[in-house]
Amino acid sequence: EVQLVESGGGLVQPGESLRLSCAASGFTFSSYTMNWVRQAPGKGLEWVSYISSSSSTIYYADSVKGRFTISRDNAKNSLYLQMNSLRDEDTAVYYCARGCGGDCYGDFDYWGQGTLVTVSS
Amino acid sequence: DIQMTQSPSSLSASVGDRVTITCRASQGISNYLAWYQQKPGKVPKVLIYAASTLQSGVPSRFSGSGSGTDFTLTISSLQPEDVATYYCQRYNSAPFTFGPGTKVDIK
Repeated sequence: EVQLVESGGGLVQPGESLRLSCAASGFTFSSYTMNWVRQAPGKGLEWVSYISSSSSTIYYADSVKGRFTISRDNAKNSLYLQMNSLRDEDTAVYYCARGCGGDCYGDFDYWGQGTLVTVSS
Repeated sequence: DIQMTQSPSSLSASVGDRVTITCRASQGISNYLAWYQQKPGKVPKVLIYAASTLQSGVPSRFSGSGSGTDFTLTISSLQPEDVATYYCQRYNSAPFTFGPGTKVDIK
């Protein structure tokens, strides 16, 4: 059974940093692209970042470019999101989501339960 | 960047009704489009990928069509458990933009 479990969310002040983790199991993690998607309270889904299976290709939404860094450790079956210079508007539930097998673009077929990040003074 | 729009933003229909949601891309995206369902308080779930391919386990009352810039999600006979917000998403190239969502409830 495919499982994605996020952790690392919490309450931080503007300007601070936070690192999210996503532990994957039930599939060959190293073979799949991965993504972070966020959802602000009462709002829609916003794609945040993509990383290819080999980490060779990485993309970010303009809203987080230069502040967030996606990475993965295929030996640990884990995905990460380092978030720096956090802003109020980064407040959201952050989901990790599985993409496609190989270095490709695809739909997001499995999602974690999400971790809440609250940025507030 | 390619923008995604959806219409309507919300709808209310009766059980058994046929429901159609439209998604439009500002530029052609071939068939690189997915539809997701998010029930209140739940995690999004993919219903349709490649514009018209039903994800395994999704009821056959859901269907998708379209290519290029115009896409539709159809629920052939609305059921109470279909109350949710539906999002389209393009994945032909980054950024993998979601549409703003269509909220569906029961009249």
